[in-house]
Amino acid sequence: DAMVIQNPRYQVTQFGKPVTLSCSQTLNHNVMYWYQQKSSQAPKLLFHYYDKDFNNEADTPDNFQSRRPNTSFCFLDIRSPGLGDAAMYLCATSRVRGSSYEQYFGPGTRLTVT
Amino acid sequence: AQSVTQLDSHVSVSEGTPVLLRCNYSSSYSPSLFWYVQHPNKGLQLLLKYTSAATLVKGINGFEAEFKKSETSFHLTKPSAHMSDAAEYFCVVSETGGSYIPTFGRGTSLIVHP
Repeated sequence: DAMVIQNPRYQVTQFGKPVTLSCSQTLNHNVMYWYQQKSSQAPKLLFHYYDKDFNNEADTPDNFQSRRPNTSFCFLDIRSPGLGDAAMYLCATSRVRGSSYEQYFGPGTRLTVT
Repeated sequence: AQSVTQLDSHVSVSEGTPVLLRCNYSSSYSPSLFWYVQHPNKGLQLLLKYTSAATLVKGINGFEAEFKKSETSFHLTKPSAHMSDAAEYFCVVSETGGSYIPTFGRGTSLIVHP
């Protein structure tokens, strides 16, 4: 089945120790998104790629970076995680065409910072 | 510009009784509207979508929603709640001809009592 895959599902890192989360898709969608979701809140968009074009949200901290080496893969790098970065990180994809921009979500990576 | 308001942060029902989760939207273009469900520690799953076709939209697990342009509403309903429906529900809007970046409502937590 075509899908969005996130690895790892659970990640524990130490305060200040860099961490990378990965996302892959078999849907061949041109847009990929990274969201941060804290408890009992809506997902918050960090950035997205429209094809190869990177789009950063204005309030995304510099501590967060992303790479999209090809259509299928996207990475979220947190350079120096703080306690406030503990959250669920969701990857999503969409094919922006026609009248439907529905998103397909991965299962998420739960990040714990100790 | 687009926005979405979920009118209730929590909705509590008894198993077997109807469910109503309310959503109002604002959009400068023709909106596409979505309802997603999120179970604890999981990603978001698309329940149903409206993309300018039929105004009454049927989704998975017995859910449906009606697009009412005059009321700028897209409320989610289900005739009979099941314990497995307990989850967080998000109403989402994007704009055909406008921004493809979806805007999320704050979420409604559905609690189902035995």
